[in-house]
Amino acid sequence: NAGVTQTPKFQVLKTGQSMTLQCAQDMNHEYMSWYRQDPGMGLRLIHYSVGAGITDQGEVPNGYNVSRSTTEDFPLRLLSAAPSQTSVYFCASSYFGRSGSGNNEQFFGPGTRLTVL
Amino acid sequence: AQKVTQAQTEISVVEKEDVTLDCVYETRDTTYYLFWYKQPPSGELVFLIRRNSFDEQNEISGRYSWNFQKSTSSFNFTITASQVVDSAVYFCALMNSGYSTLTFGKGTMLLVSP
Repeated sequence: NAGVTQTPKFQVLKTGQSMTLQCAQDMNHEYMSWYRQDPGMGLRLIHYSVGAGITDQGEVPNGYNVSRSTTEDFPLRLLSAAPSQTSVYFCASSYFGRSGSGNNEQFFGPGTRLTVL
Repeated sequence: AQKVTQAQTEISVVEKEDVTLDCVYETRDTTYYLFWYKQPPSGELVFLIRRNSFDEQNEISGRYSWNFQKSTSSFNFTITASQVVDSAVYFCALMNSGYSTLTFGKGTMLLVSP
């Protein structure tokens, strides 16, 4: 198993450009999510999905779009990049853990470092 | 609303010292999970431990130990005889019972010098 993969590892954009950060997992996990990490802020949830066709917003969703057409893939789209979106982005996946199931361990990808000029 | 507080922004110790990283959480759920992750300078997130709200037993794994106290809503992490390789940012995180959503603390940077 490759686990959770993210591409690209590094990206530099100009303000106003669009791009898609790719995330894929081969563990058949229902749950996938995107976090951003900023200095001194920890990781904050952007969007998440509990299965194909189902997505919802997290703590900081503005400026980002997601879709989940397959179980394996969960791309994050920046439609018009802004300098405030300069960050490290992590994708994570897990089984969709319900109360008491215990299968809640999140597997994180290696991250994408994005700089918006 | 859920919240995780790691009051220590940065800790510096000399090798072989013991060090404790504090984590205080807030949640209204009765069933929840607590996590610790390590982020070394290379940037990846390394899972260290998961603890559910019904298991208050302390855990020890080599030089690492965790103290979970529901009465004080704390889940502290102790490294015994620290080593330079322990230098990293450590995150405490909380997951509620309904979804697999993590709420992270802001992290504690641990610097272990030789």
